[in-house]
Amino acid sequence: QVQLVQSGAEVKKPGSSVKVSCKASGGTFSNYAFSWVRQAPGQGLEWMGVIIPIIPTPNYAQKFQGRVTITADESRATVYMELSGLRSDDTAVYYCASPRYSSSSLGYWGQGSLVTVSS
Amino acid sequence: QSALTQPASVSGSPGQSITISCTGTSSGVGSYNLVSWYQQYPGKAPKLIIYEGTKRPSGVSNRFSGSNSGNTASLTISGLQAEDEGDYYCCSYAGSNINWMFGGGTKLTVL
Repeated sequence: QVQLVQSGAEVKKPGSSVKVSCKASGGTFSNYAFSWVRQAPGQGLEWMGVIIPIIPTPNYAQKFQGRVTITADESRATVYMELSGLRSDDTAVYYCASPRYSSSSLGYWGQGSLVTVSS
Repeated sequence: QSALTQPASVSGSPGQSITISCTGTSSGVGSYNLVSWYQQYPGKAPKLIIYEGTKRPSGVSNRFSGSNSGNTASLTISGLQAEDEGDYYCCSYAGSNINWMFGGGTKLTVL
């Protein structure tokens, strides 16, 4: 049973960056695919990117290419998502998620981290 | 990977069945055997309810079922209950590129 525990809420200024963490426990960290999914207020789920620590090259959704960086620290069993050039429409809850039951299904979810972008 | 289209909302009365569709909008949408479905309540993280198109995780009610036909995956909820009210998302996985795409979501209202 994998548990994903995320960092707390953040308030950021437009143009700045935010780094959200996701600490995993209960599984073999290196072999898991950790995705980041965000949800703007009242909107749907949006997949941002994924990293598999044993294959350290992440894969990003085209929309976020150049603005998002996903990294993994195996020593801390923690995955990070950094989003730069923040805009007001980046205000959202950011979730980390990982497969369960099959490699194609996101069965483990963190509790979510609210990022508010406001001047 | 194509976009996935879901109806914005569906509704049904307790005891009825409803179906939520998830349609790929271009050719080559990939294998619908790799479609998963998620249930989300307000303020909560999504919960996996169907994976690989038709399979149910342990602990998920057998009132939830998934199916595929052509370019469309579907989620059926039978014997609607008040607790089923929430948002439902389909999601496709492209294994060759290791990425996921969500549908726009469907709000289910139990009348």
